[in-house]
Amino acid sequence: AQTVTQSQPEMSVQEAETVTLSCTYDTSENNYYLFWYKQPPSRQMILVIRQEAYKQQNATENRFSVNFQKAAKSFSLKISDSQLGDTAMYFCAFMRFLNFGNEKLTFGTGTRLTIIP
Amino acid sequence: DARVTQTPRHKVTEMGQEVTMRCQPILGHNTVFWYRQTMMQGLELLAYFRNRAPLDDSGMPKDRFSAEMPDATLATLKIQPSEPRDSAVYFCASGSLQNEQFFGPGTRLTVL
Repeated sequence: AQTVTQSQPEMSVQEAETVTLSCTYDTSENNYYLFWYKQPPSRQMILVIRQEAYKQQNATENRFSVNFQKAAKSFSLKISDSQLGDTAMYFCAFMRFLNFGNEKLTFGTGTRLTIIP
Repeated sequence: DARVTQTPRHKVTEMGQEVTMRCQPILGHNTVFWYRQTMMQGLELLAYFRNRAPLDDSGMPKDRFSAEMPDATLATLKIQPSEPRDSAVYFCASGSLQNEQFFGPGTRLTVL
């Protein structure tokens, strides 16, 4: 079974600063995907970024980037130039790779991020 | 703009009543997931379907919960009878062939 650990229940940062959210996971799988989801107060789960384990290059989506360390089983999210709209719960999630399609997500417990004006 | 829809968005019911939640996945996605979110347990999988066939419902209390996918455009989750401990937000997610999952807005269920 896979486990995902987010050790920072809450974080806060000043607007325009950079913040890094931590995530570690445990698995015996070699091929898998990792995701970060954002859940603002509206409760909508929004996919922020994904990383394929076989790719060495870290994924980037605009102000969001990850630091994927496969050997250390670490997958942190960096938010640059933080904005008030980034205030949300952030969930790290793991998915096994299957040849024939989507698999279930295993989520961490989340980090509540507050951007201070 | 393709998105997952869920109805109802909010449901308040009394203990013992039947609750039915509905989900319309994104057209062309072949996998549908039901997740539940609570303060105590976080986000957990209840059940999922691929090409309308149930694959895993081990996260679901079998005696009161049932999940079905009568056609490619509709997935349902039923609770009968409902109990106060079922109060939670229930999410449906639609899985693309690129191994991404897109979530609906959720159904907030309160069982009194």
